[in-house]
Amino acid sequence: DTGVSQDPRHKITKRGQNVTFRCDPISEHNRLYWYRQTLGQGPEFLTYFQNEAQLEKSRLLSDRFSAERPKGSFSTLEIQRTEQGDSAMYLCASSLGAPSLQETQYFGPGTRLLVL
Amino acid sequence: RKEVEQDPGPFNVPEGATVAFNCTYSNSASQSFFWYRQDCRKEPKLLMSVYSSGNEDGRFTAQLNRASQYISLLIRDSKLSDSATYLCAANDYKLSFGAGTTVTVRA
Repeated sequence: DTGVSQDPRHKITKRGQNVTFRCDPISEHNRLYWYRQTLGQGPEFLTYFQNEAQLEKSRLLSDRFSAERPKGSFSTLEIQRTEQGDSAMYLCASSLGAPSLQETQYFGPGTRLLVL
Repeated sequence: RKEVEQDPGPFNVPEGATVAFNCTYSNSASQSFFWYRQDCRKEPKLLMSVYSSGNEDGRFTAQLNRASQYISLLIRDSKLSDSATYLCAANDYKLSFGAGTTVTVRA
């Protein structure tokens, strides 16, 4: 399978715990994006990377959230001290990174987080 | 006001019918748009991209009206398998999504 992969697919945690999600983009893609989607809403942008550089962070990304892409390949998203409001589907997407607004983002299957 | 807004539906149509719905966007600088299809509890999958006035792919037609800042999606000859949520997204390097339009095609 050469698509975007995410791990784990599901995570149940207790409030206050830390969680980490991983995303492996399509191999030749330079850009990697994280989105969050709650029930009945479209995905909301969290942050994105061009290679290993984190170029933009949404105001939705509180200081409890941190994302890395250390070698410009896979990325991790960590949530510290989880809250019930963090329960959502966390989606990763990747794109080629061509300097064009026409490039397409391809999504992974998502990590569904439930905070109890 | 949200950057991208969609009629949530649901649109409940019989097989073979034509269904169309719109998406409005607020950022006049947005240059490209996408329609994604999302099945229940799955990730969004790209359906169509819209760069100029419109795009057509089989039974699906997307049109862009820059003057009125909306994008439409039309599905002809609806199939049961077209039942899904259709997400509109404006592309400004990051995607700004609407909340989705739910379509149910009944036999």
